[in-house]
Amino acid sequence: EAQVTQNPRYLITVTGKKLTVTCSQNMNHEYMSWYRQDPGLGLRQIYYSMNVEVTDKGDVPEGYKVSRKEKRNFPLILESPSPNQTSLYFCASTPLRLAGTTDTQYFGPGTRLTVL
Amino acid sequence: AQSVTQPDIHITVSEGASLELRCNYSYGATPYLFWYVQSPGQGLQLLLKYFSGDTLVQGIKGFEAEFKRSQSSFNLRKPSVHWSDAAEYFCAVGAKGTGTASKLTFGTGTRLQVTL
Repeated sequence: EAQVTQNPRYLITVTGKKLTVTCSQNMNHEYMSWYRQDPGLGLRQIYYSMNVEVTDKGDVPEGYKVSRKEKRNFPLILESPSPNQTSLYFCASTPLRLAGTTDTQYFGPGTRLTVL
Repeated sequence: AQSVTQPDIHITVSEGASLELRCNYSYGATPYLFWYVQSPGQGLQLLLKYFSGDTLVQGIKGFEAEFKRSQSSFNLRKPSVHWSDAAEYFCAVGAKGTGTASKLTFGTGTRLQVTL
């Protein structure tokens, strides 16, 4: 089954304790992205990657890191989490169309992160 | 910069009634437009998309949307709402072309409540 998986689905942690949220897709998509969803703000892009070893900042990258060592995986790293990073996080993937424009994005089930 | 406005935060309709959710976008050229639905506790699922061609697009679950360039709108419609349509709906605009490839900007969402 074609899907995007995220782990963990729920995470409660404390300020400053490094964490990683994993994201994996089995559709051989070039493009992957991380979003955070906050009430009243919709989804905002954190980082994206257009292919292996190619990553770039989205709209709200502060406090986050990513890596793309393999095509299928795109982990989100919070080196020193803070309470304002409490949010619902979504990973998404998509194939790149001609001229580098994305097609439909396929979303993972989300990771609810609470930073105390 | 591209942007999306969903002016209605919350809409309540009766089951069987028609539905229209509003979406206005700002983008310098012809955009790629999407509607996604998010059921409670779930990830986002694509309802429909517009890339080019016929301005009235059909999607899943009986939804349709019409692209109106003159009004910079992409409103979502359904002739008869079912109780299972209760969810949050997000309009999104995608950028075209390399360099800005894959930039997807979401609106803040409209929460739909369906009364029986």
